[in-house]
Amino acid sequence: ELKVEQNPLFLSMQEGKNYTIYCNYSTTSDRLYWYRQDPGKSLESLFVLLSNGAVKQEGRLMASLDTKARLSTLHITAAVHDLSATYFCAVDMLNYQLIWGAGTKLIIKP
Amino acid sequence: DSGVTQTPKHLITATGQRVTLRCSPRSGDLSVYWYQQSLDQGLQFLIQYYNGEERAKGNILERFSAQQFPDLHSELNLSSLELGDSALYFCASSVDGGGTYEQYFGPGTRLTVT
Repeated sequence: ELKVEQNPLFLSMQEGKNYTIYCNYSTTSDRLYWYRQDPGKSLESLFVLLSNGAVKQEGRLMASLDTKARLSTLHITAAVHDLSATYFCAVDMLNYQLIWGAGTKLIIKP
Repeated sequence: DSGVTQTPKHLITATGQRVTLRCSPRSGDLSVYWYQQSLDQGLQFLIQYYNGEERAKGNILERFSAQQFPDLHSELNLSSLELGDSALYFCASSVDGGGTYEQYFGPGTRLTVT
């Protein structure tokens, strides 16, 4: 059974700091997605990682994928309050399904 | 705006009732996915349809059913509702091609069962 584990599940940090969210998964896949969800809102696609070594950056967020380690990271640089949200990773099962992590709730304090 | 639409936005109903949630995918997307998100269960995949046919099933209760119509819109039917069915229900769509199954989410329907 494919498992996707995110950690931490909750993260409170100060503005200006750097931090990393980890997404580990238990079976072979070379496609992984990161989504953002604001409270009570829908999910928004952030990054699509389609191969080993893929790295994508958007503003203060950078995502990477290591398929050999079955690990993806979402790195936050010099955090700002607007990045407060819940972040989900989802692993492509290659059979039309995505398996979702539990989400990391990120709170960034001024 | 993802291009995926869902109606209604909010729904309040009583236990034992039946409701229908509607989803229209992005133009050109053939796949529709339904998810349930509650506070204690996270994001749960319910079911997927591709071009009118059921393709994958997740943790969908027998009281729930779905279908995708020829115009590709989809409906999720929830019956014999219980308090525990109160949740946000999301629909997502994907084109299923080009090497990615990236999903685009609708705004959701918030269901409250009283």
